[in-house]
Amino acid sequence: EIVMTQSPATLSVSPGERATLSCRASQSVSSNLAWYQQKPGQAPRLLIYDASTRATGIPARFSGSGSGTEFTITISSLQSEDFAVYYCQQYNNGPRTFGQGTKVEIK
Amino acid sequence: EVQLVQSGAEVKKPGESLKISCKGSGYSFTSYWIGWVRQMPGKGLEWMGIIYPGDSDTKYSPSFQGQVTISADKSISTAYLQWSSLKASDTAMYYCARHLSGWYFDYWGQGTLVTVSS
Repeated sequence: EIVMTQSPATLSVSPGERATLSCRASQSVSSNLAWYQQKPGQAPRLLIYDASTRATGIPARFSGSGSGTEFTITISSLQSEDFAVYYCQQYNNGPRTFGQGTKVEIK
Repeated sequence: EVQLVQSGAEVKKPGESLKISCKGSGYSFTSYWIGWVRQMPGKGLEWMGIIYPGDSDTKYSPSFQGQVTISADKSISTAYLQWSSLKASDTAMYYCARHLSGWYFDYWGQGTLVTVSS
């Protein structure tokens, strides 16, 4: 089973600033990686798939990059609605494992 | 519009059985995998397993194999997650989601909260 590790666990950012979140895989997952956003009391929402493709309706301030074992998602200018928990998920092989999440909170 | 509507919250005692549901609409239910994801209180997301309603092909995470059963009734566009004997540690929110080609989840249900307590 591929283990996904996200860092940091919590990121404190001021509105309007840039946020960069990281995700590392225990073995190569090629570009088979997705990112989700989850707000309190809500189901997760797909943001990015194939490491860098934005899902339908996702604002351009969200961008994903990486391949192999190292991935990032960047939020270029944080809006109030972006404060949430973000999860990565690999779908290269085996169980489609998630990272443990990064909470983006208001500084 | 693609929608996945899950059954309501459940409160059960240890040892009881339970079957929760997820009804899909707005797309061809038999052409997409449906998956289940567990979220324990205050914790992250865990991929439990998936089913292809077209032929009921099912895949489980090793962590959940033998602990739950995933099934589907394509005649009513509904997937199920069931337990034969619940434990307190099964207390969690359970989400169903459409699993695009068995890769990532593109649409999610609203979640079903399962509470197991004596």
